[in-house]
Amino acid sequence: KNQVEQSPQSLIILEGKNCTLQCNYTVSPFSNLRWYKQDTGRGPVSLTIMTFSENTKSNGRYTATLDADTKQSSLHITASQLSDSASYICVVSDRGSTLGRLYFGRGTQLTVWP
Amino acid sequence: EADIYQTPRYLVIGTGKKITLECSQTMGHDKMYWYQQDPGMELHLIHYSYGVNSTEKGDLSSESTVSRIRTEHFPLTLESARPSHTSQYLCASSDGTITYEQYFGPGTRLTVT
Repeated sequence: KNQVEQSPQSLIILEGKNCTLQCNYTVSPFSNLRWYKQDTGRGPVSLTIMTFSENTKSNGRYTATLDADTKQSSLHITASQLSDSASYICVVSDRGSTLGRLYFGRGTQLTVWP
Repeated sequence: EADIYQTPRYLVIGTGKKITLECSQTMGHDKMYWYQQDPGMELHLIHYSYGVNSTEKGDLSSESTVSRIRTEHFPLTLESARPSHTSQYLCASSDGTITYEQYFGPGTRLTVT
């Protein structure tokens, strides 16, 4: 069964600190892995997309890593800001259909305190 | 920011009413999607479309229906709303490239009383 599991479920950090969010998946055949940021009451916004051959990708203070062998990914946030408070969703796409079917994790709810 | 719009943003309606959630995109994308999301839970695909006159049901069974008469428009309709339909509904469209990047609208928060 294709699944995406994220940890921790929620996380509270102080402004300026770093944090790392985890994602494990069983989706096969694998196409790509994305990290989305979803602010409360808004739609998800893409942060990074990584294909099978990529093991790291950065977008400003966000750095995603991918280990396709162990089927794990992480999202590292550097020097957190209050605006980073949001849900971070790991999403994996399979190669099994032309639809580009996405499998969503439940997200990690990050809260940044001043 | 992606050019995909949803209206209304919030809707509170009584049981038995018919409702239509609007979704429009100006990017010319062929593929469009409707997702349902409950608080703290993952997004579930309820409908998708490959293009005009193409609609399919997604992974999560839904009593809603969709239509795709124009490329840019993908409305979702509930003929008779029930409290179990209370949820957030997200529309998305895809550019059809190899990575199938999906762009999401802001969502409609539906409450059925």
